[in-house]
Amino acid sequence: QQQVKQSPQSLIVQKGGISIINCAYENTAFDYFPWYQQFPGKGPALLIAIRPDVSEKKEGRFTISFNKSAKQFSLHIMDSQPGDSATYFCAASTMSNYQLIWGAGTKLIIKP
Amino acid sequence: DTEVTQTPKHLVMGMTNKKSLKCEQHMGHRAMYWYKQKAKKPPELMFVYSYEKLSINESVPSRFSPECPNSSLLNLHLHALQPEDSALYLCASGQAPSYEQYFGPGTRLTVT
Repeated sequence: QQQVKQSPQSLIVQKGGISIINCAYENTAFDYFPWYQQFPGKGPALLIAIRPDVSEKKEGRFTISFNKSAKQFSLHIMDSQPGDSATYFCAASTMSNYQLIWGAGTKLIIKP
Repeated sequence: DTEVTQTPKHLVMGMTNKKSLKCEQHMGHRAMYWYKQKAKKPPELMFVYSYEKLSINESVPSRFSPECPNSSLLNLHLHALQPEDSALYLCASGQAPSYEQYFGPGTRLTVT
């Protein structure tokens, strides 16, 4: 019940296209859902996060869509660029301990 | 200053060596974390310090010994490591309590 399931494992998108990565969870106590971006040899960087009281959050080309009833959330990258090529991790957390429960990661490649 | 710094960037050590990893932040964060990350995997939580006190130890072997000398510094002392301990070691910090965690660039550790 503590798991966060992320898909796909890898994704190839043409430059200018939309990249979509999905995550699903079971624990309804989760109340914070961040996405992290990680480049090779670097630490994860907090990209965008959402709380369950909103269904969508947008920051520039990055949008989180959240479906509370389906217990799913997704990251959309609009106008994908080669510089977006990285590994993306979704995660979830609760107020009880603020520990992050991580998805398995998605390796995104944007082809020029 | 919105950065978490880690030294060294790379470390190669033998199984009989003793070494230390260092992490520093000047964001006034009172929660600091050590994570271990293997290739193509999400970070695994090792230790959490809250207000300079160890609050979480995720059953980490005693060959890893954390230390928090003050609110800005976090060390990880290593001794008698095994080759399977080779990984990227990440430090993170955040407000306490808070969901957001900000990661450093990591130390790439190789145990020979």
